[in-house]
Amino acid sequence: KNQVEQSPQSLIILEGKNCTLQCNYTVSPFSNLRWYKQDTGRGPVSLTIMTFSENTKSNGRYTATLDADTKQSSLHITASQLSDSASYICVVSGNRGSTLGRLYFGRGTQLTVWP
Amino acid sequence: DSGVTQTPKHLITATGQRVTLRCSPRSGDLSVYWYQQSLDQGLQFLIQYYNGEERAKGNILERFSAQQFPDLHSELNLSSLELGDSALYFCASSVGGQMNTEAFFGQGTRLTVV
Repeated sequence: KNQVEQSPQSLIILEGKNCTLQCNYTVSPFSNLRWYKQDTGRGPVSLTIMTFSENTKSNGRYTATLDADTKQSSLHITASQLSDSASYICVVSGNRGSTLGRLYFGRGTQLTVWP
Repeated sequence: DSGVTQTPKHLITATGQRVTLRCSPRSGDLSVYWYQQSLDQGLQFLIQYYNGEERAKGNILERFSAQQFPDLHSELNLSSLELGDSALYFCASSVGGQMNTEAFFGQGTRLTVV
């Protein structure tokens, strides 16, 4: 079954600290993996998108890694800010066959940054 | 601002009714995607249209239907509404029709069925 699992479900950190969010997937065949940030009640905003051949991609204080062999990805946030408080969603897209044209969403990690 | 416009922002309706949600994609984008997000389900892909034609189908109920018009805007029709249909409905658009192209999300329509 094609699935995307994220951990932890929720996370609280202090402002200025770093954190790492995890995403494991079983989607196969796999095309690309994306991380989105979603503020409460608003649409998701793309942070990174990686194909199976990419290992890491950065966007400011956000760095995503991908291990296509173990089907794992992580999103590392450095020097967290209060505005980082949001849900972070991992999304995997299929490549062909039964997964072609489909996006598989994780349930997200709810990050709260405290002052 | 992603450039994707959804209307209305909020909608309250009664069970059994029918509603239409509207989405205008970013200028130049040919693909439109619809998603449902409820508290206990996370984001669920419903359907994708590319240049007026249905491209991919997800977990869309038979009571729901969508279409994309020649001007590329899209509408999602929800009928025989049930309490469980209460959710945020997002539209996203992208230039290409393949899932490896970047998709930009609108701000969503919050549907409440009472």
